[in-house]
Amino acid sequence: AQTVTQSQPEMSVQEAETVTLSCTYDTSENNYYLFWYKQPPSRQMILVIRQEAYKQQNATENRFSVNFQKAAKSFSLKISDSQLGDTAMYFCAFMNPINAGGTSYGKLTFGQGTILTVHP
Amino acid sequence: GAVVSQHPSWVICKSGTSVKIECRSLDFQATTMFWYRQFPKQSLMLMATSNEGSKATYEQGVEKDKFLINHASLTLSTLTVTSAHPEDSSFYICSARSTGESSYEQYFGPGTRLTVT
Repeated sequence: AQTVTQSQPEMSVQEAETVTLSCTYDTSENNYYLFWYKQPPSRQMILVIRQEAYKQQNATENRFSVNFQKAAKSFSLKISDSQLGDTAMYFCAFMNPINAGGTSYGKLTFGQGTILTVHP
Repeated sequence: GAVVSQHPSWVICKSGTSVKIECRSLDFQATTMFWYRQFPKQSLMLMATSNEGSKATYEQGVEKDKFLINHASLTLSTLTVTSAHPEDSSFYICSARSTGESSYEQYFGPGTRLTVT
């Protein structure tokens, strides 16, 4: 079974600064997907960024970028120019490839989450 | 696009009664829907995976007779908490994956807060 570990229960950063959230995972699969989700106080889950394991290039979405180290099974999220609206709980998640003929239907395994607070 | 709704957004029920939560994909067809449970400041715990027209697959430790899941159409899945007890109080979230094996993205509903008194 896959496991996802986020070792930082809480982080804080000053507005406009950069912060990195850590995530490690364990799997025997070669092909998979990794995600970072944001859950603000409204509790609506919002996709921040995704990475396909077969792609060597790190994914980037505006101020959000990842450092994907496949051999080390590490997937950290960097938030640049932090904004007050970035305050949320962040979850790292792992997904096996979808295999409708087998038992994988795109199930997500989440890490424990990191509460990020951006201070003005 | 890709909006998932949940109804109700919050519900209070008395111990021993049953409550149904609906999850709808509003602008796409969802082959697979997932139900999660989340306690305050904790992670999402997958309860079950439901595929349209077939029985749900429950995660280990989840009582299938207590948490009834029905995925009757490609746009609707329901979770019924039967004989609810205070320990069932939690935040329940559904997500939906669109049709097509290559579609790996899940779209999340806004969640339902259940309080059992």
